[in-house]
Amino acid sequence: QVHLMQSGAEVKEPGASVKVSCKPSGYTFSDYYIHWVRQAPGQGLEWMGWINLNNINKGATKYADNFQGRVTLTMDTSISTVYMELSSLRSDDTALYYCARDSEYYDGANYFDRLGDWGQGTLVIVSS
Amino acid sequence: AIQMTQSPSSLSASVGDRVTITCRASQAIATDLGWYQQKPGKAPKLLIYGASILQNGVSSRFSGSGSGTDFSLTINSLQPEDLATYYCLQDFNYPRTFGQGTKVEIK
Repeated sequence: QVHLMQSGAEVKEPGASVKVSCKPSGYTFSDYYIHWVRQAPGQGLEWMGWINLNNINKGATKYADNFQGRVTLTMDTSISTVYMELSSLRSDDTALYYCARDSEYYDGANYFDRLGDWGQGTLVIVSS
Repeated sequence: AIQMTQSPSSLSASVGDRVTITCRASQAIATDLGWYQQKPGKAPKLLIYGASILQNGVSSRFSGSGSGTDFSLTINSLQPEDLATYYCLQDFNYPRTFGQGTKVEIK
């Protein structure tokens, strides 16, 4: 059974950085992409980026522009863990941060995202 | 970035009703769209990908349709456990973008 275990809640001051971990299990670590999505309190979902764990292009990343270089996704294959680091934290970065496995689907013509497995979420609170 | 606009933002329906949520993209996205269900206090759950392909293990009461700019998620015979917020997500290009969500309540 696929499971994504995320690290615990964090409280950070404005201007600091936070690093959240996501450890998938129940499948071959290097077979898929991992996306990160956040949700501010009472708000909708916001896509942050993905990291490619696939051996063909391992470590490749894609980020949402509106984070303006503040987000960095990395991986440590020795411990099968993915990290999301967000820097220059502001109060509006207070949110629940999710990782999600993308078991991309190919229908012979197109690829479709398929975020079928999610972590439990990590609450990051930014407050002075 | 592609804007995804869902309607309605919320709805209330009775058990057994048929419910339809729509999602409109600001530009054509072929069938590169997924639907996610988020129950209170839980992580999102994939329902539909490729606009109309039902994810394994998801109830057949859920169905998706559409292509280009207009999409819909239909819940047949609404059940109490369908209380949730539903989001569309385009995967046509980057950045991926979600709709603002549709909150479904049970009368």
